[in-house]
Amino acid sequence: NAGVTQTPKFQVLKTGQSMTLQCAQDMNHNSMYWYRQDPGMGLRLIYYSASEGTTDKGEVPNGYNVSRLNKREFSLRLESAAPSQTSVYFCASSEGVGAYSNQPQHFGDGTRLSIL
Amino acid sequence: QKEVEQNSGPLSVPEGAIASLNCTYSDRVSQSFFWYRQYSGKSPELIMSIYSNGDKEDGRFTAQLNKASQYVSLLIRDSQPSDSATYLCAVNDYKLSFGAGTTVTVRA
Repeated sequence: NAGVTQTPKFQVLKTGQSMTLQCAQDMNHNSMYWYRQDPGMGLRLIYYSASEGTTDKGEVPNGYNVSRLNKREFSLRLESAAPSQTSVYFCASSEGVGAYSNQPQHFGDGTRLSIL
Repeated sequence: QKEVEQNSGPLSVPEGAIASLNCTYSDRVSQSFFWYRQYSGKSPELIMSIYSNGDKEDGRFTAQLNKASQYVSLLIRDSQPSDSATYLCAVNDYKLSFGAGTTVTVRA
């Protein structure tokens, strides 16, 4: 009963380093999403993917890239980390298609990322 | 103006009381509405979804939607200490937009 699995759970980077956050879901959902959560600002959508092979920008895409490797996996890459990217990152999936879906989203446990 | 606004917290209620959480949204075409509960240091967990005007009850939770007033609320009856968490309102127009959340503390 895994649901949405994110790795790693914690990471500390230095400014300028790169890393990839991994996300996998086992619910056969069509859509997957990456959010960041900062204090007082709620969840903000970084990128989403309506289906394998498609990705679209969300509200705050600058400084990030994504890959929808297959239906199960959706990764988020920081090419050159900046202190402003210190945040908690959540991956989510939904049975619906894309950002217009009426279906609820199910979240992973999050990755706590600190950039020094 | 934020797309989704929630009443500012924190909200402190005694055990057994009703906690009332409010959420307003700006986009009239929004079709689906969700309430998520998030414990400190944990991920958001879906507790209610509502799609049409009126009330929807699930156990001790009741969601109320009024599309004309662009308003959705969550009532928690018989509040328990385990209800202490941050509650996020989410509204779907062309994307799922989240409010900043209201933190609820249930005191014994």
